[in-house]
Amino acid sequence: GENVEQHPSTLSVQEGDSAVIKCTYSDSASNYFPWYKQELGKRPQLIIDIRSNVGEKKDQRIAVTLNKTAKHFSLHITETQPEDSAVYFCAASPLSGAGSYQLTFGKGTKLSVIP
Amino acid sequence: NAGVMQNPRHLVRRRGQEARLRCSPMKGHSHVYWYRQLPEEGLKFMVYLQKENIIDESGMPKERFSAEFPKEGPSILRIQQVVRGDSAAYFCASSRTSSGANVLTFGAGSRLTVL
Repeated sequence: GENVEQHPSTLSVQEGDSAVIKCTYSDSASNYFPWYKQELGKRPQLIIDIRSNVGEKKDQRIAVTLNKTAKHFSLHITETQPEDSAVYFCAASPLSGAGSYQLTFGKGTKLSVIP
Repeated sequence: NAGVMQNPRHLVRRRGQEARLRCSPMKGHSHVYWYRQLPEEGLKFMVYLQKENIIDESGMPKERFSAEFPKEGPSILRIQQVVRGDSAAYFCASSRTSSGANVLTFGAGSRLTVL
């Protein structure tokens, strides 16, 4: 089955700096990679996703890059703000076929943005 | 259109009691997925159900856990004879079809505490 590793487990940045979170996956059949943000005691919320036919995707201050050859993908947050503080999870799954309904999650990165 | 609704939001049980968690999918959705989040961990797939059918329960412990999604009413995740290790947040998600299943929107979760 799929295995997703996520680093770092904790990350502190000064407000305005950039934050980068990295994930690797093991199953070459995976081609859908979402990122979720979870605030304390709340549900995980999808913030951005990328599919294997795209190498990079950007949405305002958030971007995700994907390297299928190396089987890794990263989340980049620029100009961080205190409200970006949360736990971020990466995940992977096939888009269709066997296991496409199963997301495999990383263990999360606790991001703290220091004002 | 209300999102995925879960109840109860918080549930406290003593060891050996039963816990029942309910999930009402979004309107028009007939596919339901349960994920479990242990403290300080990512979400882990438990079970995928369609109306009146369990499609994949490979992530669910073989004993004490069961799930159903009847023709009428919410999906129910049932944990019998709870133990302290069952303390976790249980999240439900739904989709209209299985092809878009990996684009998941989660409910607010049910947080189970076993004393």
